[in-house]
Formats: sequence, C-alpha cells, structure tokens
Amino acid sequence: AQSVTQPDIHITVSEGASLELRCNYSYGATPYLFWYVQSPGQGLQLLLKYFSGDTLVQGIKGFEAEFKRSQSSFNLRKPSVHWSDAAEYFCAVVPPGSNTGKLIFGQGTTLQVKP
Amino acid sequence: DTGVSQDPRHKITKRGQNVTFRCDPISEHNRLYWYRQTLGQGPEFLTYFQNEAQLEKSRLLSDRFSAERPKGSFSTLEIQRTEQGDSAMYLCASSPWGRQGMNTEAFFGQGTRLTVV
Repeated sequence: AQSVTQPDIHITVSEGASLELRCNYSYGATPYLFWYVQSPGQGLQLLLKYFSGDTLVQGIKGFEAEFKRSQSSFNLRKPSVHWSDAAEYFCAVVPPGSNTGKLIFGQGTTLQVKP
Repeated sequence: DTGVSQDPRHKITKRGQNVTFRCDPISEHNRLYWYRQTLGQGPEFLTYFQNEAQLEKSRLLSDRFSAERPKGSFSTLEIQRTEQGDSAMYLCASSPWGRQGMNTEAFFGQGTRLTVV
C-alpha cells in the first residue's frame, strides 16, 4: 500500500548531540516530500521541502534533509540539537501525479531533548 | 499577512450538540484544506476547496460533517450530532497552488481542539 512511514515513534537525544529522524515512503515514483514540526497544542510549521534537484535540502532552524531515491527515504538531520527543538516531527508527501496538493502524513516522531 | 487563522482554538461540547469551526486562510491562497489529527497520530485529510468549490471529500468525512467556503475566502467546518469519537484537533491549511506553479507548500493554522464529553 502507498504510505509514509516514520519508524521511530519516540527519540531522546542530549542537548548538543546530533539528530536524525527517519522517513520512508512507498510510492511508484518520487512524491513531493516535506518535514513539518508541531509544538504541543500548536499547528504545523514547515521545516523544509523537496520537489526535485539537489538531494540535500536546507531548511529553517538549522535542519536539513537528504533525499535518497534508492532507499525511498527522506531523513531529517540536525548537527546540534537545542532544548527548544523538543516537539513532534512529521514527514509528509504529496503523492506523485497528484494535482490536489493534499498531504499524506506519517505517524510522527516525538523528540525529547535531555539537558 | 497574518497567516492562517482558526477559531475557536478550543471547544468543549456535549455529545449530540452541533459545532462549527472557522478558518481564515492567507488572503491570496486559492486552496484550502481541512485535516483531522487525533492524539499520537499524524493529520488525516478531510476535504479541500479550490476557491469556493469543494473538490474532494475523504471517506473520513461522514454525513454529519459539512464544510463550506462560500465566497472563496474563509471556510467553516460543521459537525452535527457530535460523538466522542469526533474529539480531535481540526487543522486548516491554505496554499497558493497553481498560482505560483505546482511547487508550493501548505501553510497551517494553529488548529481547533475539539473535546466531546
């Protein structure tokens, strides 16, 4: 079935440590790819997006993501995590060939940051 | 540009009552989307509008749910005869899809948290 998978439900890292959140998709072609962040009780904020071109994408708040076609992955990374990065992170896609723009989301990864 | 605005932010209602939520998109955005998010899950698509036309509805949108975007600006989502299973965060998003090319993203509001007791 076509889907977006975030294998890690919960991740804890120490402040200052590096971070990688995983996202895999299963579609016949490359979808549009997004990472959103959600703080408790808040809406979603776009961190970065990939449509085509350079496979390493820079986003806001020091985040980056790398698209790997061979692995159907779009993992989010940050070299040094700050306490304020604690939040829920969602990978999302617009399926290939879609003209609706509707997003299909993964289940999310909760990031906890230890002092 | 004040972003996407949703009202109310929180709503507590008794089972069986009707509720209505409002979404004001970014003014020049032609597309407006509604999503529902339950605890511990990612948002799920409910419906979307292109200007005033409702172009797609998810199977999640039972006949107790209705959405409108009467003048292609703000939108309302009404739930009739609420059930406890309707408790969720309802998120609205807007997008300038097609106006800036296909490569664009949706901007989300802060959501309306519905609790049905």
